Amino acid sequence: DGGITQSPKYLFRKEGQNVTLSCEQNLNHDAMYWYRQDPGQGLRLIYYSQIVNDFQKGDIAEGYSVSREKKESFPLTVTSAQKNPTAFYLCASSAQTGLSTEAFFGQGTRLTVV
Amino acid sequence: GESVGLHLPTLSVQEGDNSIINCAYSNSASDYFIWYKQESGKGPQFIIDIRSNMDKRQGQRVTVLLNKTVKHLSLQIAATQPGDSAVYFCAEKRNYGQNFVFGPGTRLSVLP
Repeated sequence: DGGITQSPKYLFRKEGQNVTLSCEQNLNHDAMYWYRQDPGQGLRLIYYSQIVNDFQKGDIAEGYSVSREKKESFPLTVTSAQKNPTAFYLCASSAQTGLSTEAFFGQGTRLTVV
Repeated sequence: GESVGLHLPTLSVQEGDNSIINCAYSNSASDYFIWYKQESGKGPQFIIDIRSNMDKRQGQRVTVLLNKTVKHLSLQIAATQPGDSAVYFCAEKRNYGQNFVFGPGTRLSVLP
């Protein structure tokens, strides 16, 4: 089945560690996005990528890094520089066409700093 | 700055009643709007979308209305069911724009 897959579903990190969240899609979408969601809050854009080997900072990129070496994959690394990383992280993808189309979301990764 | 917001953070309705969830946006250049439903611990699911050349679009039990004059978007759910309980987000994007902007969300609670 076509879709977007995030892993792991739950992730625990010790302070000072970097962790990488996986996002894979088989929808042949050009654009991919990472959002952060805090309890009772909306979605805030961390990074997005419109095409392979290119990505742009979103509203809250500090303390995060991404790569886009393959069309299907857009991993997010939460670095030790991110002061408050505990949150629900959502990856999305959308087709890159002239007219806008909806973003498809993964099921999320819940990251907890212990 | 650009923003998409919601008038009501929470909404409680009786099962079987109709629900109306509202959203205000400030960027007049936005020309594509989406409503998403998010259940607890899950990713948002697409419900319905509308482009700025339309005022109304209907799906199964859902209708989206767009009023460009006052920059207002609403989602109507007919005969609300317990399974409709979730947080609903509106999102906007400009044609050829690079990303989506989401509102803060409205929690819909369906009472038995």
